[in-house]
Amino acid sequence: GAGVSQTPSNKVTEKGKYVELRCDPISGHTALYWYRQSLGQGPEFLIYFQGTGAADDSGLPNDRFFAVRPEGSVSTLKIQRTERGDSAVYLCASSLGAGDTQYFGPGTRLTVL
Amino acid sequence: QKEVEQDPGPLSVPEGAIVSLNCTYSNSAFQYFMWYRQYSRKGPELLMYTYSSGNKEDGRFTAQVDKSSKYISLFIRDSQPSDSATYLCAVNAGGTSYGKLTFGQGTILTVHP
Repeated sequence: GAGVSQTPSNKVTEKGKYVELRCDPISGHTALYWYRQSLGQGPEFLIYFQGTGAADDSGLPNDRFFAVRPEGSVSTLKIQRTERGDSAVYLCASSLGAGDTQYFGPGTRLTVL
Repeated sequence: QKEVEQDPGPLSVPEGAIVSLNCTYSNSAFQYFMWYRQYSRKGPELLMYTYSSGNKEDGRFTAQVDKSSKYISLFIRDSQPSDSATYLCAVNAGGTSYGKLTFGQGTILTVHP
């Protein structure tokens, strides 16, 4: 596709449930990033991949959050035992290589009831 | 204290005005500086990118970095209603943190006709 795509665009879940958020990067981009943006705040870094491996996961808030990129393209952010505080927009970005311009997707709006 | 501080505004100006947006940061290791624009319900898009201190101009936009005072600015000349958006400053330390952007809170700008 022309840009980064994220699915679903909206996700409503109940406290304690498991959710998966998907990111399709721009074709040919080797680096992929996940950020979380709470209402009225700037994006907060979670994790970034260079190829299939997580190069920096220092932003993951706790072990309920996990992300994978098994084939170096599509990535999935997984959140276990969701809490109301997890409600936010989850943004994905990709770049040609690490340190290159990051292109963001439209985000997935997660609401935990 | 947050690593990057940005006044959230909101800022409202008449069409044609010069807009000044600012951020301060605390970590002298940051050496890459960016401004992103984010429209409602969209992902951030890169406006300006600068390395180290100095000015950079692109059309109606000028980015300034003063590393001695840890101060970043974005100026918008001849502002247009289409410039109405949230403006986010972002910094990066490079090196092993190459993929990690640290964002300010964002300033909400409205340009009214």
